[in-house]
Amino acid sequence: GQNIDQPTEMTATEGAIVQINCTYQTSGFNGLFWYQQHAGEAPTFLSYNVLDGLEEKGRFSSFLSRSKGYSYLLLKELQMKDSASYLCAVLDSNYQLIWGAGTKLIIKP
Amino acid sequence: SQTIHQWPATLVQPVGSPLSLECTVEGTSNPNLYWYRQAAGRGLQLLFYSVGIGQISSEVPQNLSASRPQDRQFILSSKKLLLSDSGFYLCAWRDTGDNSPLHFGNGTRLTVT
Repeated sequence: GQNIDQPTEMTATEGAIVQINCTYQTSGFNGLFWYQQHAGEAPTFLSYNVLDGLEEKGRFSSFLSRSKGYSYLLLKELQMKDSASYLCAVLDSNYQLIWGAGTKLIIKP
Repeated sequence: SQTIHQWPATLVQPVGSPLSLECTVEGTSNPNLYWYRQAAGRGLQLLFYSVGIGQISSEVPQNLSASRPQDRQFILSSKKLLLSDSGFYLCAWRDTGDNSPLHFGNGTRLTVT
């Protein structure tokens, strides 16, 4: 079967750094996406990784290791507005998206 | 630029009533279109997707159906709603390019009473 694992919930402090992990077991791999979803809103696209390594985009960075079936999203200089759920999704061999259940990130002042 | 419109934003319907949610995309041609449902505090469940007019793939057998009468229009329907149909319904599109991201509409919060 296909499976994506993320922690259910994480807590971090404003101004700090947090790393949200995602491990996957899928039938094939054609890329991994990270999305941000604020409560009651639709998910918005954050990043896409298909090659190993780190992709940096402002305060957010995403890392991928295909051999380990592992990715993480790194958020720096946390702000209260970063409180949201973060969804990991993998594009499988049929180019269908397999979604994780999401990680709820709580930012405390 | 591309935009996606989904309506209504919220809907309260009695059990047994019909449902019609509509989604349209602007600024792109022949997009792949998707309907997802998200239960409270849960992940995204793919309901239907379409790669072209009149072509619908169903991922989960249930009392919902979808139609794509025009290239950029996607409709989710039900003849008789169940309590378990309550949830957050999201329409999404992506280009036919293999690694293009999914873009979501604002969603419809459906409560079946």
